[in-house]
Amino acid sequence: GQNIDQPTEMTATEGAIVQINCTYQTSGFNGLFWYQQHAGEAPTFLSYNVLDGLEEKGRFSSFLSRSKGYSYLLLKELQMKDSASYLCAVRAAGNKLTFGGGTRVLVKP
Amino acid sequence: EPEVTQTPSHQVTQMGQEVILRCVPISNHLYFYWYRQILGQKVEFLVSFYNNEISEKSEIFDDQFSVERPDGSNFTLKIRSTKLEDSAMYFCASSQRRDREIHNEQFFGPGTRLTVL
Repeated sequence: GQNIDQPTEMTATEGAIVQINCTYQTSGFNGLFWYQQHAGEAPTFLSYNVLDGLEEKGRFSSFLSRSKGYSYLLLKELQMKDSASYLCAVRAAGNKLTFGGGTRVLVKP
Repeated sequence: EPEVTQTPSHQVTQMGQEVILRCVPISNHLYFYWYRQILGQKVEFLVSFYNNEISEKSEIFDDQFSVERPDGSNFTLKIRSTKLEDSAMYFCASSQRRDREIHNEQFFGPGTRLTVL
């Protein structure tokens, strides 16, 4: 079976850094994705990891440890527009994505 | 920038009625998907479609559901006899390449909110 866990909610201050953790247990692994979802909107792609290590993309970075079944998404220099849900999704076999429940990030001024 | 489009944005129907949700994937993409998200819950995979056939489906995708690519651009999800619990946001997605290739990102459409009364 597939199990993906991430915290339900996090609060941070504008300009700060927030780290969203994701742990997974899946039968097979073929990549981990992070998506951003604003309320009532579609998920939009943020990052992808398939090998261990850190991928940096502007203010967003994502880390993967396959042996630990662990990833995190790091958001730096938080802006008010970063208030959204952040979804961790694993691609096991095939192309389907299995999503975690999402972490709602609230950025306060 | 190319994008996935979906119509309608909101569909209200009576229990037991058939609905068809429509999607236009990105034009050079080969893989198509439907996901759903019940309000306040996680995004759930329904079905994937490649080369005019279903490549994978979840337990949710039972005999009441079907997908079709009726022409070169549209991709549809049909629910034959809707139930109250089918109320959700339905997202269509598409991707360009095979799963073994790096960075096979799935692009999501804006969704159709289905309300079953």
